[in-house]
Amino acid sequence: KQEVTQIPAALSVPEGENLVLNCSFTDSAIYNLQWFRQDPGKGLTSLLLIQSSQREQTSGRLNASLDKSSGRSTLYIAASQPGDSATYLCAVRRGSGGGADGLTFGKGTHLIIQP
Amino acid sequence: GAVVSQHPSRVICKSGTSVKIECRSLDFQATTMFWYRQFPKQSLMLMATSNEGSKATYEQGVEKDKFLINHASLTLSTLTVTSAHPEDSSFYICSARLLESQYFGPGTRLTVL
Repeated sequence: KQEVTQIPAALSVPEGENLVLNCSFTDSAIYNLQWFRQDPGKGLTSLLLIQSSQREQTSGRLNASLDKSSGRSTLYIAASQPGDSATYLCAVRRGSGGGADGLTFGKGTHLIIQP
Repeated sequence: GAVVSQHPSRVICKSGTSVKIECRSLDFQATTMFWYRQFPKQSLMLMATSNEGSKATYEQGVEKDKFLINHASLTLSTLTVTSAHPEDSSFYICSARLLESQYFGPGTRLTVL
């Protein structure tokens, strides 16, 4: 059974710092990996999606990497801002794709950016 | 684009009653939707995969007779929590698949008294 772990569980840093969030998964047979942002009491916003054949994806100040063989992904946030405060979730899609498999989520990293 | 809505956003009900939650893809068609549940400080857990025009596929440990799923059209899936009990209180989130991504609704907070 796939398990996704996110470290750290919580992180508080001053505004402007660069930071790294970590995600690991036990079964490397994934189709893709996705990073989401969740604000309190809200749904999820997709940030980046990395296919299993890719090594990284970038969007603005965000960069996500994937090392499928070692079961690891990182989310790098550059020049953090208070508006980045949220819970960040890592999720992997199982299987070989084509079908409609759901996602397995980690518990998330609760990020606070101090003004 | 790729907007998913849920209704209601919050619901409080008495123990023993049934509650229906709707999930709609507003600007795209989705043959497949997913239902997740999130308990406080826990990760989202996949409950079931909803397939348009066919029966839902439930994850291990999820009672199909308690959580009824209907995917009657390409833009609507419903989750009915039957005979709800306090332990069913949770945050229920749906998603709809479009190409390689899943787009999530804003969630429904269910409180069973």
